[in-house]
Amino acid sequence: DAGVIQSPRHEVTEMGQEVTLRCKPISGHDYLFWYRQTMMRGLELLIYFNNNVPIDDSGMPEDRFSAKMPNASFSTLKIQPSEPRDSAVYFCASSYRQGFSADTQYFGPGTRLTVL
Amino acid sequence: DQQVKQNSPSLSVQEGRISILNCDYTNSMFDYFLWYKKYPAEGPTFLISISSIKDKNEDGRFTVFLNKSAKHLSLHIVPSQPGDSAVYFCAARERHTGNQFYFGTGTSLTVIP
Repeated sequence: DAGVIQSPRHEVTEMGQEVTLRCKPISGHDYLFWYRQTMMRGLELLIYFNNNVPIDDSGMPEDRFSAKMPNASFSTLKIQPSEPRDSAVYFCASSYRQGFSADTQYFGPGTRLTVL
Repeated sequence: DQQVKQNSPSLSVQEGRISILNCDYTNSMFDYFLWYKKYPAEGPTFLISISSIKDKNEDGRFTVFLNKSAKHLSLHIVPSQPGDSAVYFCAARERHTGNQFYFGTGTSLTVIP
């Protein structure tokens, strides 16, 4: 398997522009997570999906952020309008939960977003 | 509020010596803990985990210790190698209430040859 795939790897945009980050989870995984990494807060969970349904979006900073998962193999994280403080590395991760057994999240390589 | 804390942003160790990375948590309901390793320009990768029913888990050069009374866990790397230089994230989860992991801010380990 190719692992979790994210695109683009780098995005530079100007304040006010719309940004869309993309993720393809590992085939067969039923959980998908979006994280943001910053120096101050480390890895913050923004939102996660189970079987394409958003379960917890309490980490989404504000209404400018939205995420969708139209099918099991694709998810997007959109920021509109973007602001300089959104500059960070955004990671997508997926996992497969087997009942209450322990599971591991597999991360993509991340998208480095710079908002000027 | 950070429920998982890594108070040391960086650590330098000589090759062959022991590296000890520390992590504290505040939620007593956490029952599963993990360490992830991250190289530059890559996503974090799973390294080792421990369930709250144990106080030690070992995998080769890596050992994780859990002290539930102190709400503290640590990762020991013995012997340290230059290839271990990376950022290490501690994570915790309350298994029965959700699938959300809480991550610390990371510790950057440098192993000096």
